[in-house]
Amino acid sequence: QKEVEQNSGPLSVPEGAIASLNCTYSDRGSQSFFWYRQYSGKSPELIMSIYSNGDQEDGRFTAQLNKASQYVSLLIRDSQPSDSATYLCAVSGLYSGGGADGLTFGKGTHLIIQP
Amino acid sequence: NAGVMQNPRHLVRRRGQEARLRCSPMKGHSHVYWYRQLPEEGLKFMVYLQKENIIDESGMPKERFSAEFPKEGPSILRIQQVVRGDSAAYFCASSRPTLNTEAFFGQGTRLTVV
Repeated sequence: QKEVEQNSGPLSVPEGAIASLNCTYSDRGSQSFFWYRQYSGKSPELIMSIYSNGDQEDGRFTAQLNKASQYVSLLIRDSQPSDSATYLCAVSGLYSGGGADGLTFGKGTHLIIQP
Repeated sequence: NAGVMQNPRHLVRRRGQEARLRCSPMKGHSHVYWYRQLPEEGLKFMVYLQKENIIDESGMPKERFSAEFPKEGPSILRIQQVVRGDSAAYFCASSRPTLNTEAFFGQGTRLTVV
């Protein structure tokens, strides 16, 4: 049974500070790692993807992956009130018949950016 | 470039009726995934399809639920004889047919069973 664990929060961060979100996963065969943002009542929106150990940066967002520790994190610099949302960590592996299998999601961390 | 299109956005069904949810993937995407999100719960994988093939249906309930992705037209998630517990948001995602590829979500269908 593949599992992805996240602290549900809420995580409260002052505006302008760095928000740090963490995720652990159980399946060592996982190949691809993603962070999605979901506003209440809306669909998940992909914000970061990472496939190899280390850091991946895109604007204010940095994803970090440590496969040995089975740990993924997301840093949001210069946090804005519009960043307030639920952040979903998702992982996928290689399906036995080829291609990527379905995403396994954590339950999400509710992030609140305080003005 | 249109994103993943789902319809209807909202669907109300009485207990015992059938629900049909449609998903058209992004252009160039041939892999479709369906997920269900129950209130206050995480997204759960249901089924993975390619054109005319069900690749992985390990997340589908054994009864009343079926999915297809025909050669022509959208992918369909069908729920027969709906019950109140089927009320949820159903999301479709699509991706390219390669490993290490990103999946993009449609806006979802919110099913309410009354």
